[in-house]
Amino acid sequence: GAGVSQTPSNKVTEKGKYVELRCDPISGHTALYWYRQSLGQGPEFLIYFQGTGAADDSGLPNDRFFAVRPEGSVSTLKIQRTERGDSAVYLCASSLGQGGATDTQYFGPGTRLTVL
Amino acid sequence: SQQGEEDPQALSIQEGENATMNCSYKTSINNLQWYRQNSGRGLVHLILIRSNEREKHSGRLRVTLDTSKKSSSLLITASRAADTASYFCATVGWTGANSKLTFGKGITLSVRP
Repeated sequence: GAGVSQTPSNKVTEKGKYVELRCDPISGHTALYWYRQSLGQGPEFLIYFQGTGAADDSGLPNDRFFAVRPEGSVSTLKIQRTERGDSAVYLCASSLGQGGATDTQYFGPGTRLTVL
Repeated sequence: SQQGEEDPQALSIQEGENATMNCSYKTSINNLQWYRQNSGRGLVHLILIRSNEREKHSGRLRVTLDTSKKSSSLLITASRAADTASYFCATVGWTGANSKLTFGKGITLSVRP
């Protein structure tokens, strides 16, 4: 079946602009996660959704970052007033959301964001 | 902040040899997982070991966990060129249904044909 998809695959923007990154999880997965991966580093957690609600947004770096999941499926990560330091690969993952801590997360291919 | 520290940072071996990668972490965990990443993009889940388990096998993979030392190792036996990738350990804490992953910096494995 279809895996997690993310669009766009690459996004180049200018400092100060607004960007939206989209994630389509695996059908039926209630849990959705966003991570950010800088060059040479491991992914870092940003936000976790269970259904439509953000259950844990402790990883969002500041109030320029916001994410929504209005119908409990597709999620959009929104970044306002982008800065060069926001350049990274943004990864989305989904899981069934029923197994608790041992749920396997399935990752999308990521969106590479470059802020000039 | 990142929880895990992998060791070594880079590993180069010949096809057919075994590869051993180590990971240490700092806080109490519910489980530890290993992931593979090709070309800096999508991550693939390899294996999960719970905090009450000491060893687990999956095909050519063997993972151990020592909670007293807060460390884990991943062994890939009879390596193949296709195993060339970055490998990450990731931990999940005691946070209920939230299985957010805390990753280390990763190990770059190169398998020479």
